[in-house]
Amino acid sequence: AQTVTQSQPEMSVQEAETVTLSCTYDTSESDYYLFWYKQPPSRQMILVIRQEAYKQQNATENRFSVNFQKAAKSFSLKISDSQLGDAAMYFCAYRRTHLGGSGANSKLTFGKGITLSVRP
Amino acid sequence: DADVTQTPRNRITKTGKRIMLECSQTKGHDRMYWYRQDPGLGLRLIYYSFDVKDINKGEISDGYSVSRQAQAKFSLSLESAIPNQTALYFCATSVPGTNGYTFGSGTRLTVV
Repeated sequence: AQTVTQSQPEMSVQEAETVTLSCTYDTSESDYYLFWYKQPPSRQMILVIRQEAYKQQNATENRFSVNFQKAAKSFSLKISDSQLGDAAMYFCAYRRTHLGGSGANSKLTFGKGITLSVRP
Repeated sequence: DADVTQTPRNRITKTGKRIMLECSQTKGHDRMYWYRQDPGLGLRLIYYSFDVKDINKGEISDGYSVSRQAQAKFSLSLESAIPNQTALYFCATSVPGTNGYTFGSGTRLTVV
């Protein structure tokens, strides 16, 4: 079974600084997707960024980027120029590719989450 | 209107009561999911459904049941609520060929 590990329960960053959130995962698959979701106090789950395992290039979305190390099974999220609105819980998640498999491949497996606070 | 709507948003119920959490979607997605979120545990899958006739247990289905009344509706029931079912519950949808979920806004359930 796939597992996703977020070992840091909490982190803090100064506004305008850069912070990196860590995530590791375990899988025997070669093709899969990885995600970072943001959950602000409103509790809405918001997709921040996703990465396809077959792509070597790290995904980037504005101030958010990932460092995807497939061999190490590591998927960290870097937030640049941190803003007060970035304060939230962040979840790392894994999903097997749906291609050629059963619908069960569409299930998301989540890490335990990390609470990020941003200091003004 | 939201693409995935969960009702109620918050609910307090007593131990032993039956309660139903409802989820409806306007996305036209075949696949629907119920997750439970607990502090320090992340989100865990309770049940999932790929169409009206296809219901599957997730990793923590004990004490829960579901009903897929239509493609757009997927309800989660607690037949006899207990305090350790106090949690935030999320419904989500997805389609094959894409890799993202659409989440509802969650139902916070408290069992006293």
